[in-house]
Amino acid sequence: AQSVTQLGSHVSVSEGALVLLRCNYSSSVPPYLFWYVQYPNQGLQLLLKYTSAATLVKGINGFEAEFKKSETSFHLTKPSAHMSDAAEYFCALSSYSSASKIIFGSGTRLSIRP
Amino acid sequence: DSGVTQTPKHLITATGQRVTLRCSPRSGDLSVYWYQQSLDQGLQFLIQYYNGEERAKGNILERFSAQQFPDLHSELNLSSLELGDSALYFCASSQGTSGSQETQYFGPGTRLLVL
Repeated sequence: AQSVTQLGSHVSVSEGALVLLRCNYSSSVPPYLFWYVQYPNQGLQLLLKYTSAATLVKGINGFEAEFKKSETSFHLTKPSAHMSDAAEYFCALSSYSSASKIIFGSGTRLSIRP
Repeated sequence: DSGVTQTPKHLITATGQRVTLRCSPRSGDLSVYWYQQSLDQGLQFLIQYYNGEERAKGNILERFSAQQFPDLHSELNLSSLELGDSALYFCASSQGTSGSQETQYFGPGTRLLVL
């Protein structure tokens, strides 16, 4: 069975500080991994995705994530937080065998302190 | 703006009723996906249609059904509604040609409140 675990339902950082949102996955087949962002009262927007090419994936708005197979992790980082980064972030997983089904983590709410 | 549209934005109804949610995918996208987002269950995949045919099924209740029409828009029908069906329902679309690694583009959602 496949699963996604996001560590920390709420993360708070100061403006300008490093953002680190943690995601661990479980999959018996090679995974495709995604990070989505959801701003208040809006739908989900893709930040970045890993599909078995480069392990370090760069996304929009300065975010990046690194696929680490040995740690079954796909943590999301941004060097310097901006107030506009405040949102809910979802890590998600699919695979070639999952017939386009995406499994989402429970989400991490990111707050930015001035 | 993702290019995916959903109507209505908000829906308030009573238990036991039936509602229909509508989704129009991005131009050129053949796949439509439905998701339910609730506080207790999180974000769950319900069902996928590709070019009019059901492609994948997730945690969709028997009281729920969906279809995709020849013009590629999709409808999600929810019947015998219960309080627990109150949630945000998202539609997403993708080209549908590259399988599960494709980027899905999400609509703004329909917020359903069952009283």
